[in-house]
Amino acid sequence: DTEVTQTPKHLVMGMTNKKSLKCEQHMGHRAMYWYKQKAKKPPELMFVYSYEKLSINESVPSRFSPECPNSSLLNLHLHALQPEDSALYLCASSPTENYEQYFGPGTRLTVT
Amino acid sequence: GQQLNQSPQSMFIQEGEDVSMNCTSSSIFNTWLWYKQDPGEGPVLLIALYKAGELTSNGRLTAQFGITRKDSFLNISASIPSDVGIYFCAGQTLYSGAGSYQLTFGKGTKLSVIP
Repeated sequence: DTEVTQTPKHLVMGMTNKKSLKCEQHMGHRAMYWYKQKAKKPPELMFVYSYEKLSINESVPSRFSPECPNSSLLNLHLHALQPEDSALYLCASSPTENYEQYFGPGTRLTVT
Repeated sequence: GQQLNQSPQSMFIQEGEDVSMNCTSSSIFNTWLWYKQDPGEGPVLLIALYKAGELTSNGRLTAQFGITRKDSFLNISASIPSDVGIYFCAGQTLYSGAGSYQLTFGKGTKLSVIP
């Protein structure tokens, strides 16, 4: 089973809202990732968690706050977002950091 | 930072034709990955390459890890309509100063198959 699940599939939020994106995998992977993808562009790395510890933060604004409650779950907390933050947010996991990454289906986020 | 040059940017082919796309870089990578992405979906892993010179097949797909570790190609044989999508190469290497690994993506090749 190489499945990464993400909820919700779609999210519309106002600039004053607080929401969270969720990601789950049950493959026993110890590295998990958040990416942001704009239309017609490749995914851009936001955060990397390795063994439940944040190992890479790609200078992401503080209105995005990641959380890794356990080895199977990854959350992305959103607060005071801007319209330019509208994008497809992808979660991925890998056995450890230097192995292939498996992506979830993504959450389509629209900020109004 | 590292950059990957992926070509072609787009291609239109007849069903049944073979397809070839490649990625090059001035940087060395220790892993090459190839993904396919359909609109509104996440990238799906097609092939993973871990050793320089490695040639790996997955059904009608064949990919190679260049001997210099700076390039990779993906071939699709006998294309079918469901091959339509965007193909991304991605190279993995150590993230500078952090002891962690990161993926660098090419800009993608948009494949259209004419029935």
